[in-house]
Amino acid sequence: DQQVKQNSPSLSVQEGRISILNCDYTNSMFDYFLWYKKYPAEGPTFLISISSIKDKNEDGRFTVFLNKSAKHLSLHIVPSQPGDSAVYFCAASESGGSNYKLTFGKGTLLTVNP
Amino acid sequence: EADIYQTPRYLVIGTGKKITLECSQTMGHDKMYWYQQDPGMELHLIHYSYGVNSTEKGDLSSESTVSRIRTEHFPLTLESARPSHTSQYLCASSVMATGDEQFFGPGTRLTVL
Repeated sequence: DQQVKQNSPSLSVQEGRISILNCDYTNSMFDYFLWYKKYPAEGPTFLISISSIKDKNEDGRFTVFLNKSAKHLSLHIVPSQPGDSAVYFCAASESGGSNYKLTFGKGTLLTVNP
Repeated sequence: EADIYQTPRYLVIGTGKKITLECSQTMGHDKMYWYQQDPGMELHLIHYSYGVNSTEKGDLSSESTVSRIRTEHFPLTLESARPSHTSQYLCASSVMATGDEQFFGPGTRLTVL
């Protein structure tokens, strides 16, 4: 049973517009969430994270929103650039867990068209 | 420059061969991980380590084994490769702290014929 779900396998947006990537989770013990970006044939690179004590975290063009009651988070990229085209993974962890492991979603392929 | 390295990047081998995938990090991180990922799928944790001489199995059952003799080195070994082992293998590391992000290597794309 998937605990972290990214229900949109792909998303296509125009350069300069907003990209919104969504992620849902089922485990109420998750309290730390991360977004990773992955290019083909490369490892994931960390983008941005958010703790469950916050509902928003911003870093440049990237903003992550967390809605704990809905068990939902989203990543906003504004403005989108062609170089943002990649697979985006949502991940979650339990701070009280013994191994700090991350549980990943299946990813969303973002394509930003010039 | 602190980083995490994986070799080889690509490997094509025949069934039954023994292989070792190398992973090294220069960040001094205590925790290290191995993930397996197929296209369009999530990353599955197959092994992790808290530190030297510590290894644990992850969520996804794997026929591979790991060792952690030095802090910076976390190799993964398959004694007898099979086509079902074809996948991308990603190594990661993190500090021993709650909520800290994991840093990933570039991955090894393994194809077993």
